Amino acid sequence: NAGVTQTPKFRVLKTGQSMTLLCAQDMNHEYMYWYRQDPGMGLRLIHYSVGEGTTAKGEVPDGYNVSRLKKQNFLLGLESAAPSQTSVYFCASRGQTYSGANVLTFGAGSRLTVL
Amino acid sequence: AQKVTQAQTEISVVEKEDVTLDCVYETRDTTYYLFWYKQPPSGELVFLIRRNSFDEQNEISGRYSWNFQKSTSSFNFTITASQVVDSAVYFCALSDLDQTGANNLFFGTGTRLTVIP
Repeated sequence: NAGVTQTPKFRVLKTGQSMTLLCAQDMNHEYMYWYRQDPGMGLRLIHYSVGEGTTAKGEVPDGYNVSRLKKQNFLLGLESAAPSQTSVYFCASRGQTYSGANVLTFGAGSRLTVL
Repeated sequence: AQKVTQAQTEISVVEKEDVTLDCVYETRDTTYYLFWYKQPPSGELVFLIRRNSFDEQNEISGRYSWNFQKSTSSFNFTITASQVVDSAVYFCALSDLDQTGANNLFFGTGTRLTVIP
């Protein structure tokens, strides 16, 4: 019962480098989300997916891309990292029941530093 | 647009004191859900409570209690007889019932609670 697993947990990048964060859930959840957490900003939604093969933009999508090729995985990509993308990234998932009622299950977070 | 305001950035209390964390929200939806999450120093986000917009009954769970008042758009969280283990950042959040049913959560900026032994 791993829940939501994020890899890697920590990463340091140089400006302009690319990387992918992987989120994997083993709960057969339909919905998956990527948030970023910054000091004094709370959590802000980057992208989300309502099912395999679908993605949608959240509040702060610029500079990120996502893919949901498999139901259990939701990838967050940075094509050309910028210092402004230094943050802690959280993945979350939930099942497909009445929207609004569900509780999100969060991963442990991935701390990304862009130099 | 949905918005959640947690005006208290940081609060410090001495152990065994009671403390209330404030949450004020804005939404045009008539049906919505409110949540509280705890983020301890280890960093993970822990679900505490969910409340729907049609249920204004206060709820108590051990030392935790929640006061939901639609008239003032507030969903405040009280910890009674605080303990050091309560030290964490607490987030209030509001669900967005958009057409996709994505249940996007809008988070407040969080309140950092420090309980001093």
